[in-house]
Amino acid sequence: QKEVEQDPGPLSVPEGAIVSLNCTYSNSAFQYFMWYRQYSRKGPELLMYTYSSGNKEDGRFTAQVDKSSKYISLFIRDSQPSDSATYLCAMSGGDKLIFGTGTRLQVFP
Amino acid sequence: EAGVAQSPRYKIIEKRQSVAFWCNPISGHATLYWYQQILGQGPKLLIQFQNNGVVDDSQLPKDRFSAERLKGVDSTLKIQPAKLEDSAVYLCASGRMNTEAFFGQGTRLTVV
Repeated sequence: QKEVEQDPGPLSVPEGAIVSLNCTYSNSAFQYFMWYRQYSRKGPELLMYTYSSGNKEDGRFTAQVDKSSKYISLFIRDSQPSDSATYLCAMSGGDKLIFGTGTRLQVFP
Repeated sequence: EAGVAQSPRYKIIEKRQSVAFWCNPISGHATLYWYQQILGQGPKLLIQFQNNGVVDDSQLPKDRFSAERLKGVDSTLKIQPAKLEDSAVYLCASGRMNTEAFFGQGTRLTVV
């Protein structure tokens, strides 16, 4: 079993939709949870960073962590074509920083 | 604040040749990571340094890959000899222990 599981997609939504991206994990030691956005031919860019359980909001983006279920989510409100990218979840705890495989999102006008 | 710098951006080599990548992390970041990202996949950790010591190199193919971080700052990753399956983007990232990592733009390697 992989430590971090993420649906690769692709996920295709119309402009203005609410997008939900999710990851599950198996390692209880993970305490820090991140979402990265990666455009084609670019390095991953940090979007959201949360510690332990709870919600964090930044503009159109909301990150949610449920440690009891080992489940994290990223919600994008009012999605835009410029949000089209691959979204990677990442988690760290102890010495590790582990990434999901990424979900490719396409927002069409 | 300057970001993570990597060079070169692109490299094309023939199989069995050698290649080296360079990374300069964000100033003050003790942790440095090298990841390999194959097209369509998430980044796979090759090696993690804390200052100039190795924390994790369990997924580094040590028969052909090597990495060093002299003086706990810059780092180089070398492949010798390269194989076709080494074609990927090599990403360097830096951060503080157990916090977020910041990535460079990556080096796209094509082995022909």
